[in-house]
Amino acid sequence: GAGVSQSPSNKVTEKGKDVELRCDPISGHTALYWYRQRLGQGLEFLIYFQGNSAPDKSGLPSDRFSAERTGESVSTLTIQRTQQEDSAVYLCASSRQGGGYTFGSGTRLTVV
Amino acid sequence: SQQGEEDPQALSIQEGENATMNCSYKTSINNLQWYRQNSGRGLVHLILIRSNEREKHSGRLRVTLDTSKKSSSLLITASRAADTASYFCATAVNAGGTSYGKLTFGQGTILTVHP
Repeated sequence: GAGVSQSPSNKVTEKGKDVELRCDPISGHTALYWYRQRLGQGLEFLIYFQGNSAPDKSGLPSDRFSAERTGESVSTLTIQRTQQEDSAVYLCASSRQGGGYTFGSGTRLTVV
Repeated sequence: SQQGEEDPQALSIQEGENATMNCSYKTSINNLQWYRQNSGRGLVHLILIRSNEREKHSGRLRVTLDTSKKSSSLLITASRAADTASYFCATAVNAGGTSYGKLTFGQGTILTVHP
């Protein structure tokens, strides 16, 4: 597609439930990144994909967080047993190697 | 303090004035990028400056990079009300000689341009 697409745009979930966030990157962009942004804060790196592998997952805050990418395209970020501190905007970006990022509009996750 | 810190945290100016935002970082970088964010959602890439460049222009934007001081500045000339947004610098660090594109973002500068 023309841009990076994320779904859903908003998600409200109950504490303890699992959620899946989806990212469709720009076709041909080999690099894909997930970031988290809490209200009024900067972006916190979560994980980086090159193709379908994740050479850097150092930003995942706990083992409740996991992500995968298939077909060098779509990526899914899964948060298990959500907690209130997981509430944030989750941003996905893709890029050609070493270039500027193109961001999606994000998924605003609210855990109640 | 963290890689990629902007100052000021907030900047309020009148339309037509210039806005200057600064960014400092700690480690050796491959490149530095500036992004703009409206309404707390997706960021828009503004400009990328490589570690061997000192200045770059794009329209009303001017970015400088001083690797000896590990700092960068973003200048927006003749600001408009539509420039109101948060501005973030982000650094891509050297990673064993490869161009690994992971970016580390600062906390951002909130720019308000009054009409």
